[in-house]
Amino acid sequence: GAVVSQHPSWVICKSGTSVKIECRSLDFQATTMFWYRQFPKQSLMLMATSNEGSKATYEQGVEKDKFLINHASLTLSTLTVTSAHPEDSSFYICSATSPSGTDTQYFGPGTRLTVL
Amino acid sequence: TQLLEQSPQFLSIQEGENLTVYCNSSSVFSSLQWYRQEPGEGPVLLVTVVTGGEVKKLKRLTFQFGDARKDSSLHITAAQPGDTGLYLCAGDNTGTASKLTFGTGTRLQVTL
Repeated sequence: GAVVSQHPSWVICKSGTSVKIECRSLDFQATTMFWYRQFPKQSLMLMATSNEGSKATYEQGVEKDKFLINHASLTLSTLTVTSAHPEDSSFYICSATSPSGTDTQYFGPGTRLTVL
Repeated sequence: TQLLEQSPQFLSIQEGENLTVYCNSSSVFSSLQWYRQEPGEGPVLLVTVVTGGEVKKLKRLTFQFGDARKDSSLHITAAQPGDTGLYLCAGDNTGTASKLTFGTGTRLQVTL
């Protein structure tokens, strides 16, 4: 149980376009989802916390108008990178917590974004 | 800003050797987690420690949480190539794992 999926697993886009990444909890309802960014050979940096039905809370330095987060249901959160630039190229990882149990974060497999 | 510094940053050892990875902070955490991440994948939880001084063992891996809950260590005995990966510690100071601060990471390579 507690499986989190992401789609797509990798995406290449042109500069200036927008890209949407989906994060789904497959076998549990996730009241909270988190979005992280990981640059090559670096650790995970939290971008934002997303709660179902409310606005996401962004970490300092993360542009909320550039990284749009929508948590429309208890099993789906989306991250849209708008007007992507090469410096946005990174590995984006989501995680989800269940309202029951130990509030453990279950991580998705990540999405590799390359902006040309 | 809470920082979790891991050392060493990179470790290359031969199969059968022992190693220890350290995770240090000036902040107190209510719990600390260790993850292993392989290239192109999300991190996988190895263990959660919550009590100061706690020691947990997972087969050849031994995890310790410092008495003051500011630091932790991961010791691997008789490393195997399958242990290769990026090891990350992550601290939670909210008591609900609602916001994790990840360490700087230790990349381990175990060769035959």
